[in-house]
Amino acid sequence: AQRVTQPEKLLSVFKGAPVELKCNYSYSGSPELFWYVQYSRQRLQLLLRHISRESIKGFTADLNKGETSFHLKKPFAQEEDSAMYYCALSNQAGTALIFGKGTTLSVSS
Amino acid sequence: DTAVSQTPKYLVTQMGNDKSIKCEQNLGHDTMYWYKQDSKKFLKIMFSYNNKELIINETVPNRFSPKSPDKAHLNLHINSLELGDSAVYFCASSRSSLGRNTDTQYFGPGTRLTVL
Repeated sequence: AQRVTQPEKLLSVFKGAPVELKCNYSYSGSPELFWYVQYSRQRLQLLLRHISRESIKGFTADLNKGETSFHLKKPFAQEEDSAMYYCALSNQAGTALIFGKGTTLSVSS
Repeated sequence: DTAVSQTPKYLVTQMGNDKSIKCEQNLGHDTMYWYKQDSKKFLKIMFSYNNKELIINETVPNRFSPKSPDKAHLNLHINSLELGDSAVYFCASSRSSLGRNTDTQYFGPGTRLTVL
């Protein structure tokens, strides 16, 4: 079964602290994984995808096939990072995204 | 310019009514989607269309009927609305859905449907 698990519903950190948003997946073959973000009162938007191996807004995510994980990390959280973060997996047919339940990140000063 | 737009933004209606939500994208994308976000913020794919052809229909009641008059539009019609249909509905589009879906999906602002 194809599935994305985000175990934390809410993650609260202080400004400047490191952040790790966990994502585990279940998939046969080579997965295509993404992180999407939804800031308050804004639409859902792509943050990064594993094939790009890029860093966006200081966030990175590494695909670990052994642990079937794609955790999102940032060394120093900022208040503007507060948002809902969704990990997503492209389905086997490549026709839609399967989303995790999302993690709300709250960064306070 | 708004890439993916939805109307209306809010929709409040009585149980049993029929309603429609419209979606338009001006990105020239081939594929459009409808997602449902429930009260717990869980996002789930409902439908996917590629070049006006239905390619995904995820165990959605047949009271929901998507219609794609052209590649830039994917409207969602809902008949006999039920309380459980209350949710936020997101439209999205991507360049192509052929093969591996590595293309970025661009989302609309969402339509908050409340069924009373």
